[in-house]
Amino acid sequence: QVQLQQSGPGLVKPSQTLSLTCAISGDSVSRNSTTWNWIRQSPSRGLEWLGRTYYRSKWYNDYAVSVKSRIIINPDTSKNQFSLQLNSVLPEDTAVYYCARGQWFYYYAMDVWGQGTTVTV
Amino acid sequence: EIVLTQSPATLSLSPGESATLSCGASQSLSSSFLAWYQQKPGLAPRLLIYDASNRATGFPDRFSGSGSGTDFTLTISRLEPEDFAVYFCQQYGSSLTFGGGTKVEIK
Repeated sequence: QVQLQQSGPGLVKPSQTLSLTCAISGDSVSRNSTTWNWIRQSPSRGLEWLGRTYYRSKWYNDYAVSVKSRIIINPDTSKNQFSLQLNSVLPEDTAVYYCARGQWFYYYAMDVWGQGTTVTV
Repeated sequence: EIVLTQSPATLSLSPGESATLSCGASQSLSSSFLAWYQQKPGLAPRLLIYDASNRATGFPDRFSGSGSGTDFTLTISRLEPEDFAVYFCQQYGSSLTFGGGTKVEIK
């Protein structure tokens, strides 16, 4: 059974960097038929996809236009996890942050989600 | 960016009734890239439908998805108490975006 376990601080000061990690069990961050995503949810913005990382002979990243200048998503194959770094945060970055797996079988819809981390800026 | 508009925002129904939820896209989608998620309070969204009409693991056949192009529908027949939740559509063909959600509440 695939599980995603999120970790990271729940409080970040404005202008600082939000950092979260998503540890994967039961799957591999390097598996070719998967994508590894970060999504956030807030009352004002709803569900917002932030970006993803995936491996297809080499590593790729895609980012949402809204955060592209501030975001980095990195895989860590040694720990089988991936991370989110969002720089220069603002109060409007306050949200519940989720990591999630996209799988080829589901046309890359997200079938496994982390438990969510409430981040307050 | 493709914008998804869900309607209605809230649906008030009784157990046993049927629910019809709509998701409209600002541009035509490949149906392969339209999904529906169910979310209950305090929990992460859960994949319900992928490829517009295929049920994900664990959902009964009273849930069905349909549609193509810019108009997609999620139908829940014979609502059970555990079906009252918020439902989101999502497209993943051009970047990824979510609709604003439809809350199905008990009348």
